[in-house]
Amino acid sequence: GAVVSQHPSRVICKSGTSVKIECRSLDFQATTMFWYRQFPKQSLMLMATSNEGSKATYEQGVEKDKFLINHASLTLSTLTVTSAHPEDSSFYICSASPPGQLSYEQYFGPGTRLTVT
Amino acid sequence: GNSVTQMEGPVTLSEEAFLTINCTYTATGYPSLFWYVQYPGEGLQLLLKATKADDKGSNKGFEATYRKETTSFHLEKGSVQVSDSAVYFCALSAGGYNKLIFGAGTRLAVHP
Repeated sequence: GAVVSQHPSRVICKSGTSVKIECRSLDFQATTMFWYRQFPKQSLMLMATSNEGSKATYEQGVEKDKFLINHASLTLSTLTVTSAHPEDSSFYICSASPPGQLSYEQYFGPGTRLTVT
Repeated sequence: GNSVTQMEGPVTLSEEAFLTINCTYTATGYPSLFWYVQYPGEGLQLLLKATKADDKGSNKGFEATYRKETTSFHLEKGSVQVSDSAVYFCALSAGGYNKLIFGAGTRLAVHP
């Protein structure tokens, strides 16, 4: 089946610094990638949708200048948390959707645990 | 707005027990409904889906029926195995392109 990887799996950074999370589709080309955030014991919340070669579409309430998303190739999307603060600590999950698939055909990465100290 | 509510876990069962994880939804229009499963250390995987009322999705012994009258999509399995231990997410897709709305997830632990 389709495989999506994320790197790193865990990251700890100091408050005020920026951290980049990579999401890769390993065996398929993904025209659309999604970034989710999950708080403990809560739902996955969609943060943004990115399409290769165009600007990401952010969900209401998500700061686009804080969560920078780049989808420069059909196999790679990156999420950069800029000027991170402790409240940004969370579990970030990406998913990728191959071209031509229906909306529910998303393949998920294993997630990245971000801790901001 | 659209939302999904599923039963809180953890759910702890003995092997071969019957499983039900409740899921109800609120949505405008006619959503598609899904169950995703997340095994330890892995990404979410689509377990089953139903795209219209009265459809039954099934996979790996799991079943769920799209009940429009009760706005529910409960997950069932007749005989669980230790290997079914995972977190199960109910989700819907409605009204827009490529948006999945998830429930909070229910952790299932199956003991021998």
